[in-house]
This record gives sequence, structure tokens and C-alpha cells, in this order.
Amino acid sequence: DTGVSQDPRHKITKRGQNVTFRCDPISEHNRLYWYRQTLGQGPEFLTYFQNEAQLEKSRLLSDRFSAERPKGSFSTLEIQRTEQGDSAMYLCAPTGAGNEQFFGPGTRLTVL
Amino acid sequence: GQQLNQSPQSMFIQEGEDVSMNCTSSSIFNTWLWYKQDPGEGPVLLIALYKAGELTSNGRLTAQFGITRKDSFLNISASIPSDVGIYFCAGQGQAGTALIFGKGTTLSVSS
Repeated sequence: DTGVSQDPRHKITKRGQNVTFRCDPISEHNRLYWYRQTLGQGPEFLTYFQNEAQLEKSRLLSDRFSAERPKGSFSTLEIQRTEQGDSAMYLCAPTGAGNEQFFGPGTRLTVL
Repeated sequence: GQQLNQSPQSMFIQEGEDVSMNCTSSSIFNTWLWYKQDPGEGPVLLIALYKAGELTSNGRLTAQFGITRKDSFLNISASIPSDVGIYFCAGQGQAGTALIFGKGTTLSVSS
């Protein structure tokens, strides 16, 4: 148990719909990262927060994606107007005391 | 995006055998990490390496941070069925920056 929960674990949606995922670390974590993982690939970085500030976004994060961490604890990732190419596992990873990133169980998104 | 070269892509071994996998990069990293992922779950951290040349063990797992800082390997000794899964290497530049992952090594263990 990494002390990280993600909700929902699975989401099936139709193309064009909006979806929102949530990441809840059990304890306080300074940094929190979001990654996307497609089949047969390793996770790819999307964005990260230090406390409530979003400090970096990758080129993968199109303008249809938005992430927040309003109180520096839980975080949400929203995808607007979903496309079939958005189908993937979305993983959040808060950092531990030694700056190691511990991954949550992920949200599997399927866009039909 | 940038990815590491991880090999082999897959391995099929008998229970009790030792396993070795490695990861190389064209870039220098300050930290190397090894994760294991089961189907439908997030990656679980196995070993973190912070210094070139460092050799670290975690039970039957041993990993090394290459002296050039561009490579790392993971060994699993006396494999058991629960070692089945996908193993990922990940490199990190500056502390706190995003991880760069390999494509994974899928390990199958037959009893």
C-alpha cells in the first residue's frame, strides 16, 4: 500500500465527453506528479505540483487537459472533449520523504 | 518523449533461475529507480539508486547505478512465481524533476 488512492479506478466515456480524475495521498506530500501510461509503454510525465503550485507541464498536456491541487493535498486532472487517443492509464505519484515517487493504482480511461 | 533503452523486452524463465535486465540512456542521470508493475496497478518502487557505482539490494533484488551514470541494471536471484510482472527502470536528472521511464521488461516465471 503506497498510501495513495485514485478515483475512479476505471472510466469508460464517449468521445467528446469531459472526465475528471482525483488523486488522494493519505499524508502530506510536498510534490505530486501526474503521468500517463499507454499499453506497452512506460509512464510519461504530464505535469507536477509543488504544494498547490503547478510548476511544469509536458508537451503531452494539450489545452484540453487541466490539473489542480487547490489545497496542496489532493489533486484533480480533467480532460475536456475526450478523444480516442486519450485512452490510457493515468497515474499520480506523490513524493516520499526522500523525494522518491510512489505511484497510486491509476485510473484506466477508455474513450469509445 | 524521451525514453530509456531497456532490455530485454521480455524474459521467460524457470522458477529458481536468476534474472538480469538493464537500462541505458544517452543522457546522464543523478538517480536511477526500478519499479515493478502488476496488471491494472500502478508501478511499485523496488530500489532507488543515488550515486554512481552504488550497488543496492532489496531481498533477492540487486541493482547498480552505472559508473558512467548512463546505465543501470537489476538482478533478481532465485526467481519465484510472484516475480511475474513488468519491470521498469526510470532515470531522474535534477532532484524533484520528472522521471523518464524505459519501456519495461516483462518477466514470466514458470514453476
